[in-house]
Amino acid sequence: AQRVTQPEKLLSVFKGAPVELKCNYSYSGSPELFWYVQYSRQRLQLLLRHISRESIKGFTADLNKGETSFHLKKPFAQEEDSAMYYCALGQGGGSEKLVFGKGTKLTVNP
Amino acid sequence: GAGVSQTPSNKVTEKGKYVELRCDPISGHTALYWYRQSLGQGPEFLIYFQGTGAADDSGLPNDRFFAVRPEGSVSTLKIQRTERGDSAVYLCASSLEGGEQFFGPGTRLTVL
Repeated sequence: AQRVTQPEKLLSVFKGAPVELKCNYSYSGSPELFWYVQYSRQRLQLLLRHISRESIKGFTADLNKGETSFHLKKPFAQEEDSAMYYCALGQGGGSEKLVFGKGTKLTVNP
Repeated sequence: GAGVSQTPSNKVTEKGKYVELRCDPISGHTALYWYRQSLGQGPEFLIYFQGTGAADDSGLPNDRFFAVRPEGSVSTLKIQRTERGDSAVYLCASSLEGGEQFFGPGTRLTVL
C-alpha cells in the first residue's frame, strides 16, 4: 500500500535558520514525489516535484530511494515561508491520484 | 486565466440530506480529481476523471458518494444520505495529462 509519513505536525524555526521538513514514503513501484504548500487563506499549490530537480523559493528536495525519503530543505528560512507543507506520492506515468501526508505546519519566527 | 473554481464555498446540511458539490476546472484540462480533507489530515483521494469517464474511483468511501463529468469539463460530486462523518473540505483539482494538478479553493461541508 502507498503511504506518506510526515513525522512532524508542527515545526518552528527562527528567520535565517535552516529548515528541514521530513517526508518518508512507502511504495513498491517507481514513485513520483511532490511537495505542496498552502499559505494562510490560499489554495493548495505545487511547490516542487522530484523529477524537475528545481529549487523553488530556495527550497530543494532530493529523492533518496534507499531511505525512501524526500525531505524538503531550505538553508535560510524566511517569515513568508510560514505555511502548511504536504508531501505527496504519485504512482508515476501521468495524471493519477496523489497520496498525501498529514502535513507539517511550519512557523518561521522573526 | 481563471483557476479551478468550486461552488458553494460552504455548505451546511442536516444528517440524511443529499448534497451536490460543483467543480469548474481550468479550461482545456482533461483530467479532474476530487479529494477530501478532514481536519488535521492531508487531502485524501476520492476519484479521478480523464475526459468524461472515471479512470479511478477507488477512493470513494461507499456507494453514497458518486461523481459525474458528463461533458468532460464541469464535475459534480454527489453525496446521498449525508452523515456527520462526511463533514470535511472537498477539494477539486485539474490538470493536463501528466501535468501539475491545480487545486480549487475547496467546499467546506458541514453535516449537522
